[in-house]
Amino acid sequence: TQLLEQSPQFLSIQEGENLTVYCNSSSVFSSLQWYRQEPGEGPVLLVTVVTGGEVKKLKRLTFQFGDARKDSSLHITAAQPGDTGLYLCAGARSGGSNYKLTFGKGTLLTVNP
Amino acid sequence: GAGVSQSPSNKVTEKGKDVELRCDPISGHTALYWYRQSLGQGLEFLIYFQGNSAPDKSGLPSDRFSAERTGGSVSTLTIQRTQQEDSAVYLCASSDSGGRGHGYTFGSGTRLTVV
Repeated sequence: TQLLEQSPQFLSIQEGENLTVYCNSSSVFSSLQWYRQEPGEGPVLLVTVVTGGEVKKLKRLTFQFGDARKDSSLHITAAQPGDTGLYLCAGARSGGSNYKLTFGKGTLLTVNP
Repeated sequence: GAGVSQSPSNKVTEKGKDVELRCDPISGHTALYWYRQSLGQGLEFLIYFQGNSAPDKSGLPSDRFSAERTGGSVSTLTIQRTQQEDSAVYLCASSDSGGRGHGYTFGSGTRLTVV
């Protein structure tokens, strides 16, 4: 079973601080996605990374895919209360089942004003 | 529609009863997925539909669970003889391609509570 471990599980910070959350696995993924989920809603796709070493930026969010495609990180600069939510990473397997995503348990981020 | 629509948004049922959960995917999306999200757990894959191909049912936890997709569009997830451990949020997602883990668009989910 391919597992994705996310850390930290919970993170509470003040507005304006920077933070990094991690997504690690012992398995290789063909692509990795990050989602944000708010209470009572489904996850919303933030980014997909497919190339080892790839870095993508989305405003104050920076996503990196590890060189070996086994891990990823999400860095948020100058966090705002609107960034509060559950951040989920999800990896796609190689081969015929690459439609099937394996999700981590998520990092619950709270940004206090 | 503009997004993935799920109904009902909340369902409370008595143990042993059957329930049906509905998903309307984004128009034109050929791939449809059901996932289950339990408290403290990650999203758990249940079933995948792609066009007219046979569905991947490998994630269904027991034979009490079944799903169908009619006309390549609307899908229904049925749970028979519900148990308390079935309580969870059931999420439906669709995408315009089933390959390479293309990003999903999720619905808001159905929160199922079995009492």
